[in-house]
Amino acid sequence: GENVEQHPSTLSVQEGDSAVIKCTYSDSASNYFPWYKQELGKGPQLIIDIRSNVGEKKDQRIAVTLNKTAKHFSLHITETQPEDSAVYFCAAKPAGRRALTFGSGTRLQVQP
Amino acid sequence: DADVTQTPRNRITKTGKRIMLECSQTKGHDRMYWYRQDPGLGLRLIYYSFDVKDINKGEISDGYSVSRQAQAKFSLSLESAIPNQTALYFCATSDLLTSGTNNEQFFGPGTRLTVL
Repeated sequence: GENVEQHPSTLSVQEGDSAVIKCTYSDSASNYFPWYKQELGKGPQLIIDIRSNVGEKKDQRIAVTLNKTAKHFSLHITETQPEDSAVYFCAAKPAGRRALTFGSGTRLQVQP
Repeated sequence: DADVTQTPRNRITKTGKRIMLECSQTKGHDRMYWYRQDPGLGLRLIYYSFDVKDINKGEISDGYSVSRQAQAKFSLSLESAIPNQTALYFCATSDLLTSGTNNEQFFGPGTRLTVL
């Protein structure tokens, strides 16, 4: 089955700096890669996703890049703000499979 | 997400007890999921259901069972709870759309379960 590894497990940045979280996946058939944000005391919420036919996708301060050859994808947050502090999960879903496999999560702390 | 509710929100129980966690949704979604979250291990899938008559095991189904009572209700049971089932449990829903993000999952607020 699919295996998703996520790094780093914790990340601390200064407000205004950029943050990058990286994930690798094992199944070359994976074609859907979402990122979820979990705020304290809440369930995860989708913030951005990318499909395997696209190399990069942006949404305001958030971007995701995908390298299919190397089987890794990354979340980039620019101009970080304190409200970006949360746990972020990457995930992958192989074509033909019915469920996502999540990474282990990254706790991002943005220092004001 | 207020459209996905979980009860109870917190539960403390003892080893060997039977526990049921309930999930209800008003989103009209066909697909429902149960995950557990442990520190450093992320979200792991326990069971999922794509319609009322469809039940599938996830990666960590041992020690758990589920019931899909209706499109809107999906319950998770621990037949005989053990301490290593202490975790945060999430229910999620999704729907197959003809366009847009057809794989987005909507999570409930979670149930914190402690097994003593």
